Amino acid sequence: AQSVTQPDIHITVSEGASLELRCNYSYGATPYLFWYVQSPGQGLQLLLKYFSGDTLVQGIKGFEAEFKRSQSSFNLRKPSVHWSDAAEYFCAVGVGGYQKVTFGIGTKLQVIP
Amino acid sequence: NAGVTQTPKFQVLKTGQSMTLQCAQDMNHEYMSWYRQDPGMGLRLIHYSVGAGITDQGEVPNGYNVSRSTTEDFPLRLLSAAPSQTSVYFCASSGLRGQERTNEKLFFGSGTQLSVL
Repeated sequence: AQSVTQPDIHITVSEGASLELRCNYSYGATPYLFWYVQSPGQGLQLLLKYFSGDTLVQGIKGFEAEFKRSQSSFNLRKPSVHWSDAAEYFCAVGVGGYQKVTFGIGTKLQVIP
Repeated sequence: NAGVTQTPKFQVLKTGQSMTLQCAQDMNHEYMSWYRQDPGMGLRLIHYSVGAGITDQGEVPNGYNVSRSTTEDFPLRLLSAAPSQTSVYFCASSGLRGQERTNEKLFFGSGTQLSVL
């Protein structure tokens, strides 16, 4: 079965600083990888996804992620964080065509002025 | 389009009571699923359905029942609520009927916050 590890439960960054959120996955084949964001009291919104092809994926709100097969990683990055980016971020892995998606435990991002 | 609609938004139950969490989508999606979200545990898949009349278990199915009689609706039933079922529940859908199945993104409802006393 697939699994996802997000090693950082909380991260605090200053507004304008760069951001990297870590994600490692475990799966025997090339997985389908996702990053979702959840604002307080809201459902999850897709930031970006990787299925195949270019390993650097661009998403919404200025986020990008890089798939590294050798490291089984799919880290999320943003060059300059805005206060509105404060939220919880979930990495997820999907298997097959039926969207059986497994989520990580999430990383809560705090942005300080 | 309303997207994925969950009702109710909040619910308080006593131990042993039963209830149904409603989920409806108007996007003609084949795939629907239920997740529960607990602090420090992320989202865990309870049950999912790949089409009307077809359901299957996820990671944490015990204590929950589902059915899929129509494409639009996927209710989640708690037959005898327990305090361990206190959680936030999310319904999600994806995939368009008639199109080749791909790993499209999940569309989430806004959640149901359930407390079992």
